[in-house]
Amino acid sequence: KQEVTQIPAALSVPEGENLVLNCSFTDSAIYNLQWFRQDPGKGLTSLLLIQSSQREQTSGRLNASLDKSSGRSTLYIAASQPGDSATYLCAVDEGNTPLVFGKGTRLSVIA
Amino acid sequence: DAGVIQSPRHEVTEMGQEVTLRCKPISGHDYLFWYRQTMMRGLELLIYFNNNVPIDDSGMPEDRFSAKMPNASFSTLKIQPSEPRDSAVYFCASSIQVDTEAFFGQGTRLTVV
Repeated sequence: KQEVTQIPAALSVPEGENLVLNCSFTDSAIYNLQWFRQDPGKGLTSLLLIQSSQREQTSGRLNASLDKSSGRSTLYIAASQPGDSATYLCAVDEGNTPLVFGKGTRLSVIA
Repeated sequence: DAGVIQSPRHEVTEMGQEVTLRCKPISGHDYLFWYRQTMMRGLELLIYFNNNVPIDDSGMPEDRFSAKMPNASFSTLKIQPSEPRDSAVYFCASSIQVDTEAFFGQGTRLTVV
């Protein structure tokens, strides 16, 4: 059974700092990996989707990498801003299966 | 499209009462998912539908939970009778394919007292 782990569970950084969020999954036979953002009391917003054949995806200040063989992904946020404060969730699917989520990393960016 | 729409946004009910959560997926999305989110367990898939047909309901915790999708634009998740441990945020999501980008609703925060 696929399990997704995110470390750390919470992270607090000063504004302007570059940071990395980690995600690991137990079964490397994934098809897609997605990173989501969740603001308090809100739903999830998809940030980046990486297909298993890809190594990374970039959107603005966000860069997600995927190392499928080692079962790891990272989300890099450059020049963090207070508006980046949210919970970031990682999720994987194995092709023709629904997403399996990690518990998320709660990020606080302090002005 | 207004995105995935869930109602109500908040629900407070007494133990033993029936609770019905509602979801309208994005038009044209063939897949609909119901998830439950708690602090302890994170996001868990309860059930998902393809073209209104339930595909996998192995995540439904007990017989007290049931879900229906009578047509392509509407789904319900019902809990009867509700218990305090059902308190959580329930999300509905939809997608074009099961493994393409999923779009989530704002969720329903359920509190059973």
